[in-house]
Amino acid sequence: EAQVTQNPRYLITVTGKKLTVTCSQNMNHEYMSWYRQDPGLGLRQIYYSMNVEVTDKGDVPEGYKVSRKEKRNFPLILESPSPNQTSLYFCASSDGWSGYTFGSGTRLTVV
Amino acid sequence: QKEVEQDPGPLSVPEGAIVSLNCTYSNSAFQYFMWYRQYSRKGPELLMYTYSSGNKEDGRFTAQVDKSSKYISLFIRDSQPSDSATYLCAMDNGNNRLAFGKGNQVVVIP
Repeated sequence: EAQVTQNPRYLITVTGKKLTVTCSQNMNHEYMSWYRQDPGLGLRQIYYSMNVEVTDKGDVPEGYKVSRKEKRNFPLILESPSPNQTSLYFCASSDGWSGYTFGSGTRLTVV
Repeated sequence: QKEVEQDPGPLSVPEGAIVSLNCTYSNSAFQYFMWYRQYSRKGPELLMYTYSSGNKEDGRFTAQVDKSSKYISLFIRDSQPSDSATYLCAMDNGNNRLAFGKGNQVVVIP
């Protein structure tokens, strides 16, 4: 089944403790992207990648890092999480022609 | 002014009614227009994808794009309770960076 897989689905952590949210797609898509979704603000892009080793900032990149060492994986790294990064995160991938396929989401709480 | 405006107000309709949703945008560089459906606690799911002005139909769903007015619409005919979800419009200027509306919550009452 074609899909984008994110892990974990739920995560509670403490301020300052580094964490990684993994994202993997099995569709051989070139484009991958991370979004956060907050009430009243909608979906906002954090980072995106056009191919292996090619990444760029989205609208809200502060406090986040990404890497794209392999085509299928695009992890999101929070080096020092803060409470304002509490949110619902989505990874998505695209072939560039037919819209993005989204993962099921990761609900992150930073206390 | 935000790039994409979507009135987030909830919309309740009786089963069988036509649901009408719309978004406006300000960036004339947008070329690709999408509608996503998002159920509670799930990721957005692509419903419609179009890149030209006019109508595109897929079953009970019709997407309409008017580039001259910078306005897009989604119509759902014969609405069902299973259509109850949040509907998000999204736009792309060709660089695969999507700009989303805030979403419309739709409730179809049996």
